[in-house]
Amino acid sequence: GAGVSQSPRYKVAKRGQDVALRCDPISGHVSLFWYQQALGQGPEFLTYFQNEAQLDKSGLPSDRFFAERPEGSVSTLKIQRTQQEDSAVYLCASSLGPGLSYEQYFGPGTRLTVT
Amino acid sequence: AQTVTQSQPEMSVQEAETVTLSCTYDTSESDYYLFWYKQPPSRQMILVIRQEAYKQQNATENRFSVNFQKAAKSFSLKISDSQLGDAAMYFCAYRSAGGNEKLTFGTGTRLTIIP
Repeated sequence: GAGVSQSPRYKVAKRGQDVALRCDPISGHVSLFWYQQALGQGPEFLTYFQNEAQLDKSGLPSDRFFAERPEGSVSTLKIQRTQQEDSAVYLCASSLGPGLSYEQYFGPGTRLTVT
Repeated sequence: AQTVTQSQPEMSVQEAETVTLSCTYDTSESDYYLFWYKQPPSRQMILVIRQEAYKQQNATENRFSVNFQKAAKSFSLKISDSQLGDAAMYFCAYRSAGGNEKLTFGTGTRLTIIP
């Protein structure tokens, strides 16, 4: 595939359940980002990786949120004990690397609904 | 911390006319990058145009151009000859020129094209 892919596209979880959201970046992209987009809002930064190193996780809202990218390619965002306020679209983006002109390419997002 | 403000939640324009979307930002940094992203109903975020803060010349991409006023911390997007396919949410975003590649987004402007 040519673009960033995310799965699942839609996820419904009952409050208290754990969920795992997957992101497949564009092949060869060094940097990978996770953003959270609440309804009617702009995306908010959660965390970012360069290869397998998590360089910034300052946006993760609580210790229930955990992200990993163990082999520097696919990334998983895990949310433990989901709460209703976790309902949002989770966007993944990737870029060639830290060069200043490198564009971030976004995936279609995963819409998480917590009931 | 940087903030990005989009004061127009919704805008509409007649097809073939010109529309300007506003964005202001706050930062203490002297070097940074500004972006306009488009998010159609399909949800996939697409880069429209970018501006390097050190460049005085305003960026243009076909029908899209920006008015970058560094002293006023203003970064507006002008869309000329509006087309039905331009209908989308438009987000202004900021990125530091330092090592951290994360984007800070505004809350967005929903653009409607009137046939």
